[in-house]
This record gives sequence, C-alpha cells and structure tokens, in this order.
Amino acid sequence: GQQVMQIPQYQHVQEGEDFTTYCNSSTTLSNIQWYKQRPGGHPVFLIQLVKSGEVKKQKRLTFQFGEAKKNSSLHITATQTTDVGTYFCAGNSGNTGKLIFGQGTTLQVKP
Amino acid sequence: EAGVAQSPRYKIIEKRQSVAFWCNPISGHATLYWYQQILGQGPKLLIQFQNNGVVDDSQLPKDRFSAERLKGVDSTLKIQPAKLEDSAVYLCASSLGLAGGGETQYFGPGTRLLVL
Repeated sequence: GQQVMQIPQYQHVQEGEDFTTYCNSSTTLSNIQWYKQRPGGHPVFLIQLVKSGEVKKQKRLTFQFGEAKKNSSLHITATQTTDVGTYFCAGNSGNTGKLIFGQGTTLQVKP
Repeated sequence: EAGVAQSPRYKIIEKRQSVAFWCNPISGHATLYWYQQILGQGPKLLIQFQNNGVVDDSQLPKDRFSAERLKGVDSTLKIQPAKLEDSAVYLCASSLGLAGGGETQYFGPGTRLLVL
C-alpha cells in the first residue's frame, strides 16, 4: 500500500539555526498537507500544497512540493523555541480525503 | 467556533476489557475520522465516515474494533476486548466533507489509552 516516509526522525538545533524535514511518498500524490503537533498536543494543520513544484511561505516556514508530486519539504529559517514539536507530512492520493501520515520529524530547539 | 470534542481524555484498562471513546465533530462537518497514534509514530487512519456512512475502514481491526456515527454527527469508537498493543492516543478529526479530497482536517485533543 501507499507509504509516506519522513527524514530525519529527530533534529536538535541551536536557536537561530535552520531546520529542514523531507517527505517522500511511494505513490504520486494529488496533494500534501503539513501538520504540527506540540508535545502532548494534537496535530494542527499548517498548509496544503496541490500543484507540481509549488512553493508556499508562512513567515519563517517554506514548504515545497516536488515536480513529480511524490516528495515535499518543510524548511524553517532561524528556528525559535516556539518551533519545538513534531512536524508531519500527510499525503492524499485519492478523492476521499484519506490522508497517509509520515512518521514525523521531532524538532528540539536549544535556547 | 468550538473545536472537535473528545472524551474521555485518559483511560486505563486491563487487557481483555472493553472501552469506548466519544467524539463530537465541528458543527457542520460531514466527514469524521478516527485515527490511532502510537507513541513516536504518525496518526494512522482507522475509519472515515461521510455523514453516517463509512468511506474507508480498511485499517480497522474489525475483530475487536467497531465504530458508529448513527445520526451523522457524533461518533463512538469501541474496542472489545482490548490488547496491550492497543495502548495509544485515539484522535478524532473532522472536515467539511465538500471537496473530493484534500480538505483541512481539524483534530480533537485525543484520548490516551493505556492497556495493562
């Protein structure tokens, strides 16, 4: 079945450093979503990418969708302690709304 | 606007016991999802409802798990009998259900289940 893989699993950075997490799907996606889950919390929607090669920015966060619509990345510039959490990508390949989540990348930021 | 409500927030049971979780989605959301999130993993879809009909339950262990959304609003997920490996957070999410896919899903706070 469809699989969504994320790397790295964990990342520890010094505050102010950049951070990137990568997401790869075994199948072509119709769209990809990114969620953030704070420790002890629930996933919160960040963004959705739909078009091949799409790039979207939210302040210090930059999201990219690959040309083949099988991979995606999230880049955070100049991390802050508020960025701590686990970032999940979730791929949608059908028309039912079913999302396949990656295993997440947990970001720790040292002040 | 009220978010997705779930109860209970925590549950501890012994193996072979039964447990039920309740979810009330955001008002007007036609699609409701139940996910299982094991520690250190991403959420895994158990079942998806569109109004009161099942859209996808391919990953629901039907020998022990059941779910219903009889009136197309709130939903219950039941485990009977529970196994140790069912220890996880059970997340409920909802979405508008208007598009053919790719809608934002809004998650509830989850129910943390520990099976001893």
